[in-house]
Amino acid sequence: DTVLTQSPALAVSPGERVSISCRASEGVNSYMHWYQQKPGQQPKLLIYKASNLASGVPARFSGSGSGTDFTLTIDPVEADDTATYFCQQSWNDPYTFGAGTKLELK
Amino acid sequence: EVQLVESGGGLVQPGRSLKLSCAASGFTFSNYYMAWVRQAPKKGLEWVATISTSGSRTYYPDSVKGRFTISRDNAKSSLYLQMNSLKSEDTATYYCARRSYAQNYFDYWGQGVMVTVSS
Repeated sequence: DTVLTQSPALAVSPGERVSISCRASEGVNSYMHWYQQKPGQQPKLLIYKASNLASGVPARFSGSGSGTDFTLTIDPVEADDTATYFCQQSWNDPYTFGAGTKLELK
Repeated sequence: EVQLVESGGGLVQPGRSLKLSCAASGFTFSNYYMAWVRQAPKKGLEWVATISTSGSRTYYPDSVKGRFTISRDNAKSSLYLQMNSLKSEDTATYYCARRSYAQNYFDYWGQGVMVTVSS
């Protein structure tokens, strides 16, 4: 299975820029997607196919990357962005998710 | 507004069965592939099953293949997950999710239903 590796946690101050990384154990082309999950809620799609903003998602969120290295960027970070962010690949079977990066605000 | 509402969760003994349901509304259910994704307590997400629009094709990871069966009733706009031979490691919140049209990501998720497998 394709393993997706994410940093466990990050802490940033409101107004700053933050980059959350996701590294795949094998190439996934551009088929990497990002989700936001707030405590007690279901995941919400943010970015699909590496760099496409999902409907209704603020332009503060952006995605980049291809192959094995991908990045979700939030600029500027707001207090409401406190959440866990998951990457998911759909190039290799089975679809897999990263373990998530917990974003905390200072 | 797209809505996905799961039901049927609860406490079940190892080796027993449970069937989850998901009621969909706000979109043309029969036009979309649907899926189940689970999340063990304090853990990450794991894709569990996907079903085609007509129900003729189903897909599973090895971890549940042969034990779980995904199905749908387009007339009722409902999705199901039959879980047999349950194990403690199946304990998780199960989410019903809509697969984006022609793409393998999930654009809408239900609120989830908890399944606890324990004696």
